[in-house]
Amino acid sequence: AQSVTQPDIHITVSEGASLELRCNYSYGATPYLFWYVQSPGQGLQLLLKYFSGDTLVQGIKGFEAEFKRSQSSFNLRKPSVHWSDAAEYFCAVRPGYNKLIFGAGTRLAVHP
Amino acid sequence: GAVVSQHPSWVICKSGTSVKIECRSLDFQATTMFWYRQFPKQSLMLMATSNEGSKATYEQGVEKDKFLINHASLTLSTLTVTSAHPEDSSFYICSARDGRGSGEQYFGPGTRLTVT
Repeated sequence: AQSVTQPDIHITVSEGASLELRCNYSYGATPYLFWYVQSPGQGLQLLLKYFSGDTLVQGIKGFEAEFKRSQSSFNLRKPSVHWSDAAEYFCAVRPGYNKLIFGAGTRLAVHP
Repeated sequence: GAVVSQHPSWVICKSGTSVKIECRSLDFQATTMFWYRQFPKQSLMLMATSNEGSKATYEQGVEKDKFLINHASLTLSTLTVTSAHPEDSSFYICSARDGRGSGEQYFGPGTRLTVT
């Protein structure tokens, strides 16, 4: 069965530091991959997505993610975190043209 | 960009009453809409997939008689929580899939339901 694992439930970083949020997926073929961000009490905003082609994808707000087939990973990165980046981040896979399967989420806290 | 709205954004109701939540795609047609439920500090769990003009497909463990879904038009889907109980209190989020191109899903802002 398809699944998504986000190993880190909670991460704290200092403002200006780099960030990497981990995501591993389980799927027989290459799925469509997504990263979403959710602020408290809000819906989800798409940060970036990977369908095919270049394995390093750029998103909004300075985020990027790299698809690594050999590791079944799609880690999210940002070189310098801002206090406004504090939120919940969800990795998701979409097997084919179907429903999204979400990971458990990683809550990011940013220290000034 | 594509916008999905939900109404109401929050609602408080008494136990035993029913509550209707609307999900609208504002600038695109959505042949498919999805309803998710999110408990505090947890991930989104898909409840059902709603296709315009046909019956919704419910995920395992979701009571279709309790969570009534209607997708009467290409821009509107509704979720009705019938005979609500305190355990139904949750954050309900809908998404709408754009039927064009890659079929990306766009999410609504969510509806917080509190049943007293």
